[in-house]
Amino acid sequence: QVHLVESGGGVVQPGRSLRLSCQVSGFNLTKYAMSWVRHAPGKGLDWVAVLSYDGTKMFYANSVRGRFTSSRDNFKNTLYLQMNSLTTDDTAVYYCARTFTSNWTDALEIWGQGTLVTVSS
Amino acid sequence: QSVLTQPPSVSAAPGQKVTISCSGNNSNIGNNFVSWYQHLPGTGPKLLIYDNDKPHSGIFDRFSGSKSGTSATLDISRLQTGDEADYYCGTWDTSLSAAVFGGGTKLTVL
Repeated sequence: QVHLVESGGGVVQPGRSLRLSCQVSGFNLTKYAMSWVRHAPGKGLDWVAVLSYDGTKMFYANSVRGRFTSSRDNFKNTLYLQMNSLTTDDTAVYYCARTFTSNWTDALEIWGQGTLVTVSS
Repeated sequence: QSVLTQPPSVSAAPGQKVTISCSGNNSNIGNNFVSWYQHLPGTGPKLLIYDNDKPHSGIFDRFSGSKSGTSATLDISRLQTGDEADYYCGTWDTSLSAAVFGGGTKLTVL
């Protein structure tokens, strides 16, 4: 059974950092591109980043480029999102999602349940 | 402001059909596949349609998608109260080198 479980969310002050994790099971992380998508209160889905299946290519939304970094540990079957210089606009539920194939432009087939990040002083 | 444009809300009675539109441009919908997602509060979004018109495994045939030029549509027929949710279209934007979503459409089954 394919599962994605996010963790690492919490309350953090503006300007601070946080690292989210996405533990995957039931599939080989090296065969799929993996994305991060967030959902802020009262707003729509907001794509954040995608990491290619081989980990060599990363694409980011303009709003997080230069502050967020996506990476992964194949041995631990875990995807990470390092978030720096957080602002209140980053407050959201963060989801990790697996693409349909290895193509990073593909649809997002499997989603986790999300982890809440609250940026507040 | 979202790159893809969806109506904020649609509504219909049980048993009827609704159509949700999604409008973009040649950098996104015009040259890439469109997918559709259902999002219920407190849960991860669920893939309904991929590659414009292919239903994801386990998705009822009441859900169907199509694309023409720079627009796409999601049709939901024989509406049920359990279909009440937010629906999003998504695709890749070649100019932005980023995935993009529509602003979401809230479906109310009256």
